[in-house]
Amino acid sequence: EIVLTQSPATLSLSPGERATLSCGASQSVSSTYLAWFQQKPGLAPRLLIYDVSSRETGIPDRFSGSGSGTDFTLTISRLEPEDFAVYYCQHFGNSQLTFGGGTKVEIK
Amino acid sequence: QVQLVQSGAEVKEPGASVKVSCKASGYTFTTHGINWVRQAPGQGLEWMGWISPHDGNTNHAQKFQGRVTMTTDTSTTTTYMELRSLRSEDTAVYYCARDSGTMGLSGDLDYWGQGTLVIVSP
Repeated sequence: EIVLTQSPATLSLSPGERATLSCGASQSVSSTYLAWFQQKPGLAPRLLIYDVSSRETGIPDRFSGSGSGTDFTLTISRLEPEDFAVYYCQHFGNSQLTFGGGTKVEIK
Repeated sequence: QVQLVQSGAEVKEPGASVKVSCKASGYTFTTHGINWVRQAPGQGLEWMGWISPHDGNTNHAQKFQGRVTMTTDTSTTTTYMELRSLRSEDTAVYYCARDSGTMGLSGDLDYWGQGTLVIVSP
């Protein structure tokens, strides 16, 4: 089973700044399936990015995903007040889904 | 619009079972599988398994094999997740999430229910 490790655990930034979130896989991800979710307190997760870099319908273009192999990145180009939340990466492979431990993006 | 509406909060004693429901609307129920994901208080997300409403095929995370049963009722477009032999570590919010794939499990969870809090306490 692939283990996903997200870093940093917490990212303290100001609105307008660029956020770079990392997701490392314990072994190379052979498929393109790597997704990112946003979760706000008390709410269900929301799909942002799928297939490494495809934005879900309705997701602003300040969100972008990239990476390959074992290293993946979610970038938020300019943080808006509503972007402060917890972000999870997720992999699908061998008929199993795994999630990373999450990165909290908080207001500095 | 696609909606997944889950049943209400439950409080159970250790050793009991819980059955959470997830009613789907706004799309053709049998064309998309349903995943179950749980989140313990203050913790991350944990995938439990998937079921196809089309043919009842399931796929579970190894951790829950033998303790979880997922079923669907196409007449009411509802999916159920039953977890048995509950222990305190099962206290969590349980989510259903639609799989965007139409040809089996794709791992792309595009719509989520609101979550059901299950508390396991003596």
